[in-house]
Amino acid sequence: QKEVEQNSGPLSVPEGAIASLNCTYSDRVSQSFFWYRQYSGKSPELIMSIYSNGDKEDGRFTAQLNKASQYVSLLIRDSQPSDSATYLCAVASGYSTLTFGKGTMLLVSP
Amino acid sequence: SAVISQKPSRDICQRGTSLTIQCQVDSQVTMMFWYRQQPGQSLTLIATANQGSEATYESGFVIDKFPISRPNLTFSTLTVSNMSPEDSSIYLCSVVKGATNEQFFGPGTRLTVL
Repeated sequence: QKEVEQNSGPLSVPEGAIASLNCTYSDRVSQSFFWYRQYSGKSPELIMSIYSNGDKEDGRFTAQLNKASQYVSLLIRDSQPSDSATYLCAVASGYSTLTFGKGTMLLVSP
Repeated sequence: SAVISQKPSRDICQRGTSLTIQCQVDSQVTMMFWYRQQPGQSLTLIATANQGSEATYESGFVIDKFPISRPNLTFSTLTVSNMSPEDSSIYLCSVVKGATNEQFFGPGTRLTVL
């Protein structure tokens, strides 16, 4: 059984701070890793994908992958109240279906 | 990405009835999936919609309860059959376009069964 674990939160950070969201996965052969943002009442929106060990930056977002530790994280710099949402980690093995974590709720206070 | 629409956006249904949800994409896609998201929960994959053949269902989901069609590369339907209140959920289609396995989600269908 493939599992993806996330702290449910809420993770509360002040505006302008760095928010750090973490995810661990059980399937060692996982090759593709994704972060989705989901606002309340909306569908998930893909914000980052990462396939290789190390960091991948896109604007204020940085995804970090460590396959040896089976760990993937998302850093959000200069957090804004509009970043308040649930962040879902998803993992795939090869060209296959995604397994989602339960998500971490992020609250950014003004 | 792709522009994905779903119909209906929401519905309230009586138990024992069936509802068909449509997913339309603005361009051809490689793969289409159907998910369920129950209140406060994460996404659970129901099945992969295969073009021109039977869908591939995940454990716990069966064709008699969730028949799926995908007649072409831009359209799929999911039917929720013989509904019970436990089927109340958000149903989402997602697509993969091109050679990556990045999935993009439709806006969802919010179903309430009374």
